[in-house]
Amino acid sequence: KQEVTQIPAALSVPEGENLVLNCSFTDSAIYNLQWFRQDPGKGLTSLLLIQSSQREQTSGRLNASLDKSSGRSTLYIAASQPGDSATYLCAVRPYGEETSGSRLTFGEGTQLTVNP
Amino acid sequence: DGGITQSPKYLFRKEGQNVTLSCEQNLNHDAMYWYRQDPGQGLRLIYYSQIVNDFQKGDIAEGYSVSREKKESFPLTVTSAQKNPTAFYLCASSMWGVREQFFGPGTRLTVL
Repeated sequence: KQEVTQIPAALSVPEGENLVLNCSFTDSAIYNLQWFRQDPGKGLTSLLLIQSSQREQTSGRLNASLDKSSGRSTLYIAASQPGDSATYLCAVRPYGEETSGSRLTFGEGTQLTVNP
Repeated sequence: DGGITQSPKYLFRKEGQNVTLSCEQNLNHDAMYWYRQDPGQGLRLIYYSQIVNDFQKGDIAEGYSVSREKKESFPLTVTSAQKNPTAFYLCASSMWGVREQFFGPGTRLTVL
């Protein structure tokens, strides 16, 4: 059974710092991996989607990498801002799910606080 | 505006009652999903549907039911058989297959 772990569970940094959030998964047979942001009491906002054949994806100050063989992904946030404060979740989609609906397995998230 | 809407935002249920959570999307997505989120936990899949009039159980389907009579709508009923229904419920949709999933704003259900 696929398990997704995110470390640390919580992170507090000063504004302007570059930071890395970690995501690990136990089964490397994934189709893709998706990073989300969740603000308190809100739904999820998709940040980046990395296909299994890709090594990284970039969007603005965000860069996500994927090392499928080692079961790891990282989300790099450059020049962090107070507005980046939120919970960040990663989710993987296993092989075999492409024809049965896009089932995702989620990690528990990293709660990020960026202090002004 | 294209997107996913969920209603109500907050819902209170008395023990023994069934309640229905609404999810509507105008993205022309084929697949729709219901997840449950508990404090400090990741999302868990309740039900999903790839096409109209078809749906499959997820990992925690017991005590829940769904219907998919229209492409844009996927309501979730929380029945009295669900023993611990207090949670945050999230609806999502995607193009059929392995496309990116998009989420609604969620419904917070509290049992009184």
